Amino acid sequence: KAGVTQTPRYLIKTRGQQVTLSCSPISGHRSVSWYQQTPGQGLQFLFEYFSETQRNKGNFPGRFSGRQFSNSRSEMNVSTLELGDSALYLCASSPRGPGGGTEAFFGQGTRLTVV
Amino acid sequence: TQLLEQSPQFLSIQEGENLTVYCNSSSVFSSLQWYRQEPGEGPVLLVTVVTGGEVKKLKRLTFQFGDARKDSSLHITAAQPGDTGLYLCAGGSSNTGKLIFGQGTTLQVKP
Repeated sequence: KAGVTQTPRYLIKTRGQQVTLSCSPISGHRSVSWYQQTPGQGLQFLFEYFSETQRNKGNFPGRFSGRQFSNSRSEMNVSTLELGDSALYLCASSPRGPGGGTEAFFGQGTRLTVV
Repeated sequence: TQLLEQSPQFLSIQEGENLTVYCNSSSVFSSLQWYRQEPGEGPVLLVTVVTGGEVKKLKRLTFQFGDARKDSSLHITAAQPGDTGLYLCAGGSSNTGKLIFGQGTTLQVKP
């Protein structure tokens, strides 16, 4: 069974630009969650999508958005990039959702650098 | 706001030593998961515990979920250099559907 695939692996963007990151979950998993990981803040929850609907949202500004397609693939978008958005962005897939004890499987992440 | 505090944040030990990492909260969680992450990679799930008082063993790793489901510990026996990495605990809530992560414990095992 293929794992969670995130593309691209590395990205360098300029302040003010926007970026779209992609995540393909494990086949059959309907929940996709996104996290931002930085050395200072650790893993911070961005949002979770389940069957194309945003089910949970973290405390991030509206510049961070996402969506999920009918095949469960998900994208997250960050507009008007700031230097502080530099981070490892991780996607996790789960059969039903990560909160109820079901396992969450992470992709390798996208390393975003904003210059 | 649910928070998970991990301790210690950093641990540097010699091969063969034992260690314990703690994960504490004032909140009750439906489940507690432990992950290990290597630099530049995503976290890899080690174990999930769901029952208060539950103990799970994975070779040299022993995981325990507190009776009140507010805390957990990870004990490694006879650590090896291959155990080096970032260990993360994460609490799951079936009410909110969220997974809340601790800040992580960076473990370095020297040969």
